[in-house]
Amino acid sequence: AQSVAQPEDQVNVAEGNPLTVKCTYSVSGNPYLFWYVQYPNRGLQFLLKYITGDNLVKGSYGFEAEFNKSQTSFHLKKPSALVSDSALYFCGAGSYQLTFGKGTKLSVIP
Amino acid sequence: EPEVTQTPSHQVTQMGQEVILRCVPISNHLYFYWYRQILGQKVEFLVSFYNNEISEKSEIFDDQFSVERPDGSNFTLKIRSTKLEDSAMYFCASLGQGKETQYFGPGTRLLVL
Repeated sequence: AQSVAQPEDQVNVAEGNPLTVKCTYSVSGNPYLFWYVQYPNRGLQFLLKYITGDNLVKGSYGFEAEFNKSQTSFHLKKPSALVSDSALYFCGAGSYQLTFGKGTKLSVIP
Repeated sequence: EPEVTQTPSHQVTQMGQEVILRCVPISNHLYFYWYRQILGQKVEFLVSFYNNEISEKSEIFDDQFSVERPDGSNFTLKIRSTKLEDSAMYFCASLGQGKETQYFGPGTRLLVL
């Protein structure tokens, strides 16, 4: 069975500073990994994915994520946080059936 | 840009009543999903649907749940006799043939009283 862990319930970062939201996974075979963002009272919005190829993947709104096979991690990063990035972030794994982590609330402080 | 839509956005029902949640997936997508998110918890997979039949379902998806694609556009989730613990946000998602990314609708917030 596949599983995804997001070890931080909340991440606080000052506007303009780099941000990292952590994710580790446990899947059999080659992992399909995703990041989604959820704004209040909204659905999940796709940010980026890793399927194969370059370990650094770039996505929407300046976000990127680094796939690290040896550490089974897929951390979400952004060089300079914006207040509008404040939301709930979900890491997911799977191909036809997604398994999500419990989510990390990102708060960007002006 | 095409998107997944869901109706209603909110539904309040009495325990024991039947509810039907509706979704219109992206038009050329072939794989359809329902997920739920209990308040404050993670998003959980319920069921996947392909070629007019269930392809996978989770332990949550018991006999009280059913899915249907009644026509070429709608995809529905029915809960026959709702329980208090069915209160959650229900998300529909769809996936295109040969693609990897599921696209989610805005969700239906179900409250069972």
